[in-house]
Amino acid sequence: EAQVTQNPRYLITVTGKKLTVTCSQNMNHEYMSWYRQDPGLGLRQIYYSMNVEVTDKGDVPEGYKVSRKEKRNFPLILESPSPNQTSLYFCASSLISVGHYEQYFGPGTRLTVT
Amino acid sequence: SQQGEEDPQALSIQEGENATMNCSYKTSINNLQWYRQNSGRGLVHLILIRSNEREKHSGRLRVTLDTSKKSSSLLITASRAADTASYFCATDLNFGNEKLTFGTGTRLTIIP
Repeated sequence: EAQVTQNPRYLITVTGKKLTVTCSQNMNHEYMSWYRQDPGLGLRQIYYSMNVEVTDKGDVPEGYKVSRKEKRNFPLILESPSPNQTSLYFCASSLISVGHYEQYFGPGTRLTVT
Repeated sequence: SQQGEEDPQALSIQEGENATMNCSYKTSINNLQWYRQNSGRGLVHLILIRSNEREKHSGRLRVTLDTSKKSSSLLITASRAADTASYFCATDLNFGNEKLTFGTGTRLTIIP
């Protein structure tokens, strides 16, 4: 089954404790992206990657890191999480160009930073 | 600020009625997409309309695009309880970057 998976689905952590949210897709997609969703703000893009070893900032990259060492994986790293990073996070992928192809979304990771 | 803004923010209708949601954006685009999100879950792609298209259909969905007004509408005909969800428009900007910008969404509730 074609899908995007994220782990963990739920995470409660404390300020400053480094964490990684994994994302994997099995569709051989070149484009992958991370979004955060907050009430009243919709989805905002954090980082995106157009292919292996190619990443770029989205609209809200501060406090986040990503890497794309393999085509299927695109982990999101919070080196020192803060309470304002409490949010619902989505990973997504698309075949090539995000504008010309639909994006497939993961189920989401709900992160709480205390 | 958001590239896309949906209107209304929330909409409640009786089952069987038609639902119309609107999306306005600020700058030229290549394409516009609509997505559905059931509560707290991942978004699901509904339809993509290109900037040179004016109307597109998919099942009970009808999307229009007016590039002169920088707006799009999503019509769901003969609504069902399962259509209860949030609906988002997303645009890619027409100067070559590979970002997709989402609006804040319309929360649709279908009353059985």
